[in-house]
Amino acid sequence: KAGVTQTPRYLIKTRGQQVTLSCSPISGHRSVSWYQQTPGQGLQFLFEYFSETQRNKGNFPGRFSGRQFSNSRSEMNVSTLELGDSALYLCASSLGTYRLEAFFGQGTRLTVV
Amino acid sequence: AQSVTQPDIHITVSEGASLELRCNYSYGATPYLFWYVQSPGQGLQLLLKYFSGDTLVQGIKGFEAEFKRSQSSFNLRKPSVHWSDAAEYFCAVAPNYGGATNKLIFGTGTLLAVQP
Repeated sequence: KAGVTQTPRYLIKTRGQQVTLSCSPISGHRSVSWYQQTPGQGLQFLFEYFSETQRNKGNFPGRFSGRQFSNSRSEMNVSTLELGDSALYLCASSLGTYRLEAFFGQGTRLTVV
Repeated sequence: AQSVTQPDIHITVSEGASLELRCNYSYGATPYLFWYVQSPGQGLQLLLKYFSGDTLVQGIKGFEAEFKRSQSSFNLRKPSVHWSDAAEYFCAVAPNYGGATNKLIFGTGTLLAVQP
């Protein structure tokens, strides 16, 4: 069974631009969560989607948004990029709805210059 | 608010020595607890999980963890460390907000170095 796939693996963007990251969950998994990982703040929860609906949202500005498609694939978008958005963005998929184990992708390394 | 504390930022052990990584949580109800491992530049791999029942749980790669409610701890152990265990280890708790969620709250991580 294929794992969680995140694309692209690496991105370099300029301040002010926007970026879209993609995540394909494990087949059959309907929950997708996104996390930001930085050396200073560690792993922080961005948001979670289940059956195309956002179920939970972390404490991030509105520049960070996401969506989930009917096939459970998810995208996250960051608009008006700032230098501080440079991070490893991790996607995790879970089978169902409630406090289940999460399987992580390898992440997308975003560098904002 | 729920939180997870990993008191040790960096630990160095010799290959073959035993290992214990500490994790304390702040949580009112029955916690769901996890340990993940991350190699440089990679995602997180689940080592083991505790939901309920036996307080000593076995995981992959020879790791185990013990849940101690009285101490609010979920420490990770391995009897004999291999050089390939060098990585960063994260303890996580799944909070219960009363609604359906798979959100995880992570500790700050412990970076493990293994000396030959």
